[in-house]
Amino acid sequence: DAKTTQPPSMDCAEGRAANLPCNHSTISGNEYVYWYRQIHSQGPQYIIHGLKNNETNEMASLIITEDRKSSTLILPHATLRDTAVYYCIVRGPGGTSYGKLTFGQGTILTVHP
Amino acid sequence: KAGVTQTPRYLIKTRGQQVTLSCSPISGHRSVSWYQQTPGQGLQFLFEYFSETQRNKGNFPGRFSGRQFSNSRSEMNVSTLELGDSALYLCASSLGILNEKLFFGSGTQLSVL
Repeated sequence: DAKTTQPPSMDCAEGRAANLPCNHSTISGNEYVYWYRQIHSQGPQYIIHGLKNNETNEMASLIITEDRKSSTLILPHATLRDTAVYYCIVRGPGGTSYGKLTFGQGTILTVHP
Repeated sequence: KAGVTQTPRYLIKTRGQQVTLSCSPISGHRSVSWYQQTPGQGLQFLFEYFSETQRNKGNFPGRFSGRQFSNSRSEMNVSTLELGDSALYLCASSLGILNEKLFFGSGTQLSVL
């Protein structure tokens, strides 16, 4: 699975959009970009994933650049409850693995009132 | 639908003892994976089970073992506990389909004294 690079921390004002970047310059054509987040003392929570098209769900939007070397997770209206560690993960088709994710250090997002 | 359930939530053991942690996946999920989370190493993959078979194993010593039962429930065991085994142990389940999202439990916080 390709390595990802994320800023260690970011701040965002409540009600504003939070844009979390991720670099994955060695991503292969069949690898997906996943985002999970972990709120203190809880297990990670799935947010969204995509291959090459932009994706949107009820939680967030995922923008993947055309060359697929980077992506941005967008939380459109951040709330205090969005304060968490956000992990960008690149994952291959899986082979024989359904449950193996390689977590990096992630980005600590702090949402301020 | 109930989420992933891990028991116990907290556990205190002493060096040299052994411990068994339990995980009940979401109903219908056949894949269960285990992770260790420490402040220094972050989230690290331990192993993964599907249909009672270990499909993947992380880079951990043989003191760490697991199993999965026919109802998909899983247990992990750590023998001869060391101080460095103090960590949050997380279980995740998924349907067992490639690129399916993982659902994590809240974890078991193990303290080794």
